[in-house]
Amino acid sequence: QQPVQSPQAVILREGEDAVINCSSSKALYSVHWYRQKHGEAPVFLMILLKGGEQKGHEKISASFNEKKQQSSLYLTASQLSYSGTYFCGTEITNDYKLSFGAGTTVTVRA
Amino acid sequence: GAVVSQHPSRVICKSGTSVKIECRSLDFQATTMFWYRQFPKQSLMLMATSNEGSKATYEQGVEKDKFLINHASLTLSTLTVTSAHPEDSSFYICSAGGTASNQPQHFGDGTRLSIL
Repeated sequence: QQPVQSPQAVILREGEDAVINCSSSKALYSVHWYRQKHGEAPVFLMILLKGGEQKGHEKISASFNEKKQQSSLYLTASQLSYSGTYFCGTEITNDYKLSFGAGTTVTVRA
Repeated sequence: GAVVSQHPSRVICKSGTSVKIECRSLDFQATTMFWYRQFPKQSLMLMATSNEGSKATYEQGVEKDKFLINHASLTLSTLTVTSAHPEDSSFYICSAGGTASNQPQHFGDGTRLSIL
């Protein structure tokens, strides 16, 4: 079942912060975050596993609240290169198959 | 560098043609690969799971006879869109890896299929 992402889109100025949320109606084994630029393949950002954790990748970090079946991606001090569409992929049945959210389009302007 | 190679990157062909898309894992052996379809400004929709040496597992609503998947080796999976029609036009992406919850899927660059 497809997770729900919010917001659908966000526009930022360089240096600003943003949060992208990913919610599931079912319990999750893992949450994967990817960023896709227009016309390109999705690029892996990070994985969060069941058990609740927080991870970071440069100024992009994420948290996973197992009880709430929700993950959040934090973009801190955004850079122009952060522009793209961010997808969360959720693993529900421990079979490694991912269901992707509809995506959040992030536009960072100078 | 890229760990998954997908070819071709773009195909334009006439209605009724069959089109084959290749997905190769470059740095590792992949017993499992995934095939996705993506419409403009939409999410990635899983079509099927490709299993080396056995039949692919298709998601609900995906026609097996329409989208033929062959995973003949540990580094190559192919998707053949048979008798393609304009409604099959889409962006098809494969991925490899991700066969454990803590492993990422590595995506190919995708194939833009346009059926005239």
